[in-house]
Parts: sequence; C-alpha cells; structure tokens
Amino acid sequence: DAGVIQSPRHEVTEMGQEVTLRCKPISGHDYLFWYRQTMMRGLELLIYFNNNVPIDDSGMPEDRFSAKMPNASFSTLKIQPSEPRDSAVYFCASSSYRGSGYTFGSGTRLTVV
Amino acid sequence: SQQGEEDPQALSIQEGENATMNCSYKTSINNLQWYRQNSGRGLVHLILIRSNEREKHSGRLRVTLDTSKKSSSLLITASRAADTASYFCATDVGTGNQFYFGTGTSLTVIP
Repeated sequence: DAGVIQSPRHEVTEMGQEVTLRCKPISGHDYLFWYRQTMMRGLELLIYFNNNVPIDDSGMPEDRFSAKMPNASFSTLKIQPSEPRDSAVYFCASSSYRGSGYTFGSGTRLTVV
Repeated sequence: SQQGEEDPQALSIQEGENATMNCSYKTSINNLQWYRQNSGRGLVHLILIRSNEREKHSGRLRVTLDTSKKSSSLLITASRAADTASYFCATDVGTGNQFYFGTGTSLTVIP
C-alpha cells in the first residue's frame, strides 16, 4: 500500500482565494482525520469521519473551513476564503478501527500571503 | 484542544545513551499512543498502550502508563542519530476515535 496520499505537498495562495486540500486514505481504513500543525498551537484535530460520515467537526475553526468525504477513498478540506492565519501544515490520517494507530500522510504545507 | 503535555520540551543526548520522555494528560483515557515526527515529515506511529496496560515494549522502545498519575513515559534505549526527531503522545477520550496530541519533545541525538 502506498500509504495515505495527500496533495498538493505545497500550496502558496493569496489571501481571499479558495484552497482545496486532498487526501486518499489507506484502502480498508474506516476512519479519516484532518489535523493542522503550527508552531503556536501544535497539532489540532479539525474533523474526523467514520465510514465517510463526519463524526466530530468541533475543531473546524470557522465557517470558512469545510470538509467532505464523498467516498471511502477520497476526502477534501476546503478553505474559502483563505487568510494568512490559515498558514500551517495540514495532515490527513487514517485508521482501521477505533483505538488503532493512525497512519499519517506527508502533509500539505499551506502558505497564504 | 491539546490533551497531553510532554516533558522535557527539548532533549539532547549522546549516541548510545538512553532517552526518556514523559507525557502528562488531563482526563481519563482509553488508549495512549506515541508518535515520531522527523523534520518536515508526517507523524509515524510507534506504539499504542491501552488504559488497562502498564508497560509495553517494541524493539528499543519501552512505554509505561500510570493512569493514577495520568502520565506515560517513552524510553528509547541505546539511542542512534537516526532517532533525532520530535516525539508526541496522543490520547483518546470519551466514546469517539479521535486522539488529541501533546506539545511534543524534540530529541537530538549527537553522533
């Protein structure tokens, strides 16, 4: 298995633009998570899905953030409009069952200028 | 919100020495995990310990859990330069499957 695949690896965009981050989880994993990592706040859980259904989105910072999982092999995290304070590394992770270890993707480094 | 806090924030040791990192958390947990993150990379799962377990081993890694003190420790024995990374603990609470990560310990192993 190729692991959790995220794209793009790097994204530089101007303030106000829409940004879409993509994730392909490991096949057969029922859980998918989106995290954000910054120096100031560390790793923050944004949202997670179980069997493509959003379970907890309490970590989504604002209405500008939205996430979807249309099928078991694909998820997106969208920021519209983007702001400089959204600059961070965004990680996607998946796991096979409740309480199991996560497999993380390599992350998307987002810079909003 | 962050559930765990690692101590120390940074640790520098010579190759061959043992490294010990601690994690304290706030509320009762079901499971606790340790992860490693190399600079600029994603996190790698190291070991999971359940709340009814007290100690687990994996190769050069030893993890202990003390639920009465709400703390865990990660011991890396005979450290190598390749162990240089940040180490995070993560805990799950409640009935969900979400893990909350601590602040991390930055470990530097000097060759």
